[in-house]
Amino acid sequence: GIQVEQSPPDLILQEGANSTLRCNFSDSVNNLQWFHQNPWGQLINLFYIPSGTKQNGRLSATTVATERYSLLYISSSQTTDSGVYFCAVGVDYKLSFGAGTTVTVRA
Amino acid sequence: GAVVSQHPSWVICKSGTSVKIECRSLDFQATTMFWYRQFPKQSLMLMATSNEGSKATYEQGVEKDKFLINHASLTLSTLTVTSAHPEDSSFYICSARRLQGADYEQYFGPGTRLTVT
Repeated sequence: GIQVEQSPPDLILQEGANSTLRCNFSDSVNNLQWFHQNPWGQLINLFYIPSGTKQNGRLSATTVATERYSLLYISSSQTTDSGVYFCAVGVDYKLSFGAGTTVTVRA
Repeated sequence: GAVVSQHPSWVICKSGTSVKIECRSLDFQATTMFWYRQFPKQSLMLMATSNEGSKATYEQGVEKDKFLINHASLTLSTLTVTSAHPEDSSFYICSARRLQGADYEQYFGPGTRLTVT
């Protein structure tokens, strides 16, 4: 199956800081999603981005499919951004998840 | 739009009993639904894919007789954990893909926490 590596595994930020999360994958994909898992376990869809660049408020993402990586940018971080961020990739509907990046934003 | 619900949110059952978990797409029709399992501090692992009106496709290593999946309509899929044991305790999450969707985006339910005593 497709291997998905996320880095860094843990990230501690001061409120207001910017950060970049990375997702590398081992094979060509046509499906890539970024999620935020809140403390109650709910996965929140952040981006569906198999290629290109998207922005939503303080978050943006870029996927370079030919080089098999995706980046998630968090700007002006807030304490509510804390949680685990997952990258999931796949071909068609079948998703493989990375191990996640645990983000802690301190006030 | 694209809201997925799960019921129950959490359940505690005794070893040897069966538990049914429901997954519903509330504001869209889902041609395909997926069931995942997540252990504490770990990532999500796909268990099975279900399409309305047909048999589910299970991932390697997932016992189809233990985890029964029924996708009876375009808005409802159920997962039944039969003869549950403590090692089945986990967080079970479903997701759904829109019937009319032009892409492969999945929308996730809030999860069901199962504890088997």
